[in-house]
Amino acid sequence: GQQVMQIPQYQHVQEGEDFTTYCNSSTTLSNIQWYKQRPGGHPVFLIQLVKSGEVKKQKRLTFQFGEAKKNSSLHITATQTTDVGTYFCAGPSQGGSEKLVFGKGTKLTVNP
Amino acid sequence: DTGVSQDPRHKITKRGQNVTFRCDPISEHNRLYWYRQTLGQGPEFLTYFQNEAQLEKSRLLSDRFSAERPKGSFSTLEIQRTEQGDSAMYLCASRWTSGYAGELFFGEGSRLTVL
Repeated sequence: GQQVMQIPQYQHVQEGEDFTTYCNSSTTLSNIQWYKQRPGGHPVFLIQLVKSGEVKKQKRLTFQFGEAKKNSSLHITATQTTDVGTYFCAGPSQGGSEKLVFGKGTKLTVNP
Repeated sequence: DTGVSQDPRHKITKRGQNVTFRCDPISEHNRLYWYRQTLGQGPEFLTYFQNEAQLEKSRLLSDRFSAERPKGSFSTLEIQRTEQGDSAMYLCASRWTSGYAGELFFGEGSRLTVL
């Protein structure tokens, strides 16, 4: 079945350092979504990318969707302690399903 | 609060007991989803409703699981004869089909522990 893989699984950085997480799908995606889950919290939608090669920015966060629409990345510039959490990418299952397939996430910890 | 509401937030039960979770979606959302999340994993899709119709079920949803959304508003997820492997966070999410495409609004989840 369709798989969505994320690397790294864990990332520990010093506050002020940059952070990147990568997402790869086994199939071409119509779109990709990113969610953030704070420790003890629930997933919160960050962004959706739809177009091949699309780049979107939200303040210190930069999201990219690959040309082949099979991979994506999230880059955070100058991390802050408020960035702590697990970042998930998710893509729709094939065949018109409403199912979103989530990666296992990248858990980010930030040392102040 | 106008977000997705789930109840109870925590449930501890003994193996073999039945449990029921309730989800109240954002009121104008017509699509409601149930996901399950275990430690260190991303959410896994279980089922979804459009209004009161259950339109898709995952193979993860064994015959011990049943979900309903009788009036197209709140939903319940029942697990019968619970097993230790059912221990997980059960997340409900909702969205409006003509809203921002794809964005799911998750509730805070119902954490199930089966002893």
